[in-house]
Amino acid sequence: DAGVTQSPTHLIKTRGQQVTLRCSPKSGHDTVSWYQQALGQGPQFIFQYYEEEERQRGNFPDRFSGHQFPNYSSELNVNALLLGDSALYLCASSFSGGARMTQYFGPGTRLLVL
Amino acid sequence: AQSVAQPEDQVNVAEGNPLTVKCTYSVSGNPYLFWYVQYPNRGLQFLLKYITGDNLVKGSYGFEAEFNKSQTSFHLKKPSALVSDSALYFCAVRDGGSNSGYALNFGKGTSLLVTP
Repeated sequence: DAGVTQSPTHLIKTRGQQVTLRCSPKSGHDTVSWYQQALGQGPQFIFQYYEEEERQRGNFPDRFSGHQFPNYSSELNVNALLLGDSALYLCASSFSGGARMTQYFGPGTRLLVL
Repeated sequence: AQSVAQPEDQVNVAEGNPLTVKCTYSVSGNPYLFWYVQYPNRGLQFLLKYITGDNLVKGSYGFEAEFNKSQTSFHLKKPSALVSDSALYFCAVRDGGSNSGYALNFGKGTSLLVTP
């Protein structure tokens, strides 16, 4: 049973560019959340997608956007990259059938903005 | 607002000794509490959670955590530490209220170093 997968594993971009990160949820999961983990910090919630819609959003600017596809996979897009966007981006999946859903994390995509 | 505090940046323990990693939380409703572990250059691995029921929760790899409502704490414990337990540990909380959302709020993490 495959867990949460993310691609790419590493990415280098320059300021002002745009980036797309991808996530496939764990089998049986229908909800995807994205987190940003800066160096030395805990993960910060960006947003969560369920039924192809953004269900909840954290305190991130509109440069951060996402999408969920019918097969439950998801993309995170970041426009107009800033140096401060350099971080590990984590995707987490969960099953909506029950309020006590545990989020399972992928290995992350490490983004470096130069 | 929800928040988590992990008061120790680093915990050092000798192999075979018991370990404790501390976590305190703040939520307005019922707390859903989680512990995750992160190895270098890896994502987060789920260890255990408290939703309701027994205050002592058992999880993966011999870890357990004790929920203390009066002290708003959820400390992670293990009776006998292994060198392979050395990693970064994160406590997270979510408000269990029906309208409180789904985001996990994480602490800043505690680095556990187990020495042989």
